[in-house]
Amino acid sequence: EAQVTQNPRYLITVTGKKLTVTCSQNMNHEYMSWYRQDPGLGLRQIYYSMNVEVTDKGDVPEGYKVSRKEKRNFPLILESPSPNQTSLYFCASSRTGLGGYGYTFGSGTRLTVV
Amino acid sequence: AQTVTQSQPEMSVQEAETVTLSCTYDTSESDYYLFWYKQPPSRQMILVIRQEAYKQQNATENRFSVNFQKAAKSFSLKISDSQLGDAAMYFCAYRSSNYGGSQGNLIFGKGTKLSVKP
Repeated sequence: EAQVTQNPRYLITVTGKKLTVTCSQNMNHEYMSWYRQDPGLGLRQIYYSMNVEVTDKGDVPEGYKVSRKEKRNFPLILESPSPNQTSLYFCASSRTGLGGYGYTFGSGTRLTVV
Repeated sequence: AQTVTQSQPEMSVQEAETVTLSCTYDTSESDYYLFWYKQPPSRQMILVIRQEAYKQQNATENRFSVNFQKAAKSFSLKISDSQLGDAAMYFCAYRSSNYGGSQGNLIFGKGTKLSVKP
């Protein structure tokens, strides 16, 4: 089944403790992206990747890191999480970074930083 | 930069009735794509419908259709014969067709929460 797999679905952590949210797609998509969703703000892009080893900042990149060493994986790293990073996070992929392809989304990760 | 505006934070519809969700966008580009995504309580993001800006014909997917007005930069979603399972948050989104400023990224509105009354 074609899908984007995110883990974990839920995570509670403490301020300053490094964490990684994993994202993997099995569709050979070139483009991958991370979004955070907050009430009243919709989905805002954190980072995106047009292809392997090509990443760039989205609208809200502060406090996050990403890497794209393999085509299928695009982990999101929070080096020192803070309470304002409490949010619902989505990973998404698309066949390419251009054109009318919609995104395929993961199931989301609910992160709470205390 | 492109922006997407959904002016209705919440909407309500009676089961079996029709409801229209509004979306406007701002862009200087002539070629782009528009989408509606549905997010039910399960929080999964589901693509509902897609429109290509160069096509004048409005997209339709079963009970879902759009009213695309390019000159007015408007992209509303009509849900006919509403069902209880249609209750969800609906997001309008824009995607450029070229390597313009948005780099092909999806730009979302803030969403409209739709309730369906039995």
